Amino acid sequence: ETGVTQSPTHLIKTRGQQVTLRCSSQSGHNTVSWYQQALGQGPQFIFQYYREEENGRGNFPPRFSGLQFPNYSSELNVNALELDDSALYLCASSQKRTGGSLSYGYTFGSGTRLTVV
Amino acid sequence: EDQVTQSPEALRLQEGESSSLNCSYTVSGLRGLFWYRQDPGKGPEFLFTLYSAGEEKEKERLKATLTKKESFLHITAPKPEDSATYLCAVPVAQTGANNLFFGTGTRLTVIP
Repeated sequence: ETGVTQSPTHLIKTRGQQVTLRCSSQSGHNTVSWYQQALGQGPQFIFQYYREEENGRGNFPPRFSGLQFPNYSSELNVNALELDDSALYLCASSQKRTGGSLSYGYTFGSGTRLTVV
Repeated sequence: EDQVTQSPEALRLQEGESSSLNCSYTVSGLRGLFWYRQDPGKGPEFLFTLYSAGEEKEKERLKATLTKKESFLHITAPKPEDSATYLCAVPVAQTGANNLFFGTGTRLTVIP
C-alpha cells in the first residue's frame, strides 16, 4: 500500500509568479484535501476534491485553485504569489464511503515547502 | 464559531518525566476528536480518534482521553524519540466539506 506522495518537496518562487503543486493519493482513497501550514501554526483547510470536483473550500481567495484527476491524484495551483503564501502545503487523502459519509482517516503527505521571495 | 485551543504551546520534559497535553474545543455537534504527531518538515501522522466523552485510547507511551469540553494526551515516561509537535483537530462541515480544523499544536521536547 503506497502512501501519499507530494512533489516537489521544496520550491522557491518570486512574488507574482504562479506555482503548481502535485499530489498522488493513497491507494484506495478517492478524496483529496489540501492544507496550508504556516510556520508555528496548525494546518488550515484550503479545499477538498471528490470525483474530480471541488467539494468544499476554506477561507482562501480564488487565486488558489485545484484539480483532481480520474486516478484521484490532484494539483494545487496558486496564482499571483504573495509573500504570505510561504508555507508548507499538505495534501491529505481519505475515502468517502457510499452514501457520502467521509472517513476522517486522513493520510497526509510530507508536504511541499514553498518559499515566496 | 468552532475553536480548538491547545496548551501549552511548548513543553520540555526530561526523559521519563510524565506529563499531559491539553486540547480544548468548542464545536457544534462533535463528530470526533483527532490527535496527530508531526515531525519537523513532515506531514501529520495519525495517532488517535476519540468519539465520545469518557473514551480512552492508548498507543505505547501515549494515552488520549476525551471529555465534553477537552481532550488530554498523556505521555508516560517519554523518550527523546517522542519529541515532536502534537496536533489535535476536530471535523467541521461549515465549509461544505468534511474537513479537519486544527489547533496550533504543542511542541514537545524530551531531553535525554
